[in-house]
Amino acid sequence: DTGVSQDPRHKITKRGQNVTFRCDPISEHNRLYWYRQTLGQGPEFLTYFQNEAQLEKSRLLSDRFSAERPKGSFSTLEIQRTEQGDSAMYLCASSLRNSSSGNTIYFGEGSWLTVV
Amino acid sequence: QKEVEQNSGPLSVPEGAIASLNCTYSDRVSQSFFWYRQYSGKSPELIMSIYSNGDKEDGRFTAQLNKASQYVSLLIRDSQPSDSATYLCAVNRGGAGGFKTIFGAGTRLFVKA
Repeated sequence: DTGVSQDPRHKITKRGQNVTFRCDPISEHNRLYWYRQTLGQGPEFLTYFQNEAQLEKSRLLSDRFSAERPKGSFSTLEIQRTEQGDSAMYLCASSLRNSSSGNTIYFGEGSWLTVV
Repeated sequence: QKEVEQNSGPLSVPEGAIASLNCTYSDRVSQSFFWYRQYSGKSPELIMSIYSNGDKEDGRFTAQLNKASQYVSLLIRDSQPSDSATYLCAVNRGGAGGFKTIFGAGTRLFVKA
């Protein structure tokens, strides 16, 4: 079963360092999403792609965050100059452009980031 | 006003009872509605989706949608201790409104054995 795959699953980094997360979506899915989730909160939307185009980016996302999906397949999320407030679970999800599915998104297992 | 609102709970029900989870949303043009279950330390997993007014049943789960009242609910019949989790309501505009899915903060459910 080739579900959404995220790497690394856990990352501990020092404040000020850069980190990068990778997401491989379900193979036929053309939409890819990034969310951030902190304890006691629901997933917070960060950005999404349709194929290689980044169609929407949250206004809450600072300039330190950047996401790419260069060939419309896997995606990377980079956080520059990490801060302790960036500690969270970063979730990737994908969906298939299909009018009958209502754009149902399926999550990967998440990447936990701890900034010390 | 939050786009998707849920009572954070915790909601506690005895084993075998019906658990009722509620959600309201603010965007009237929303087209697709979802319930996800999230166990502690895990990622959300889809339980049900619903797109039309009325009820949709899948095993012990029933989703209810009322677009006029901007209200979605999830009923869990014959609740089991393994149902203890956080339940997330999610909403998607779809179409020209874009395909961003917005989540509520979740309702924690405890099923007592």
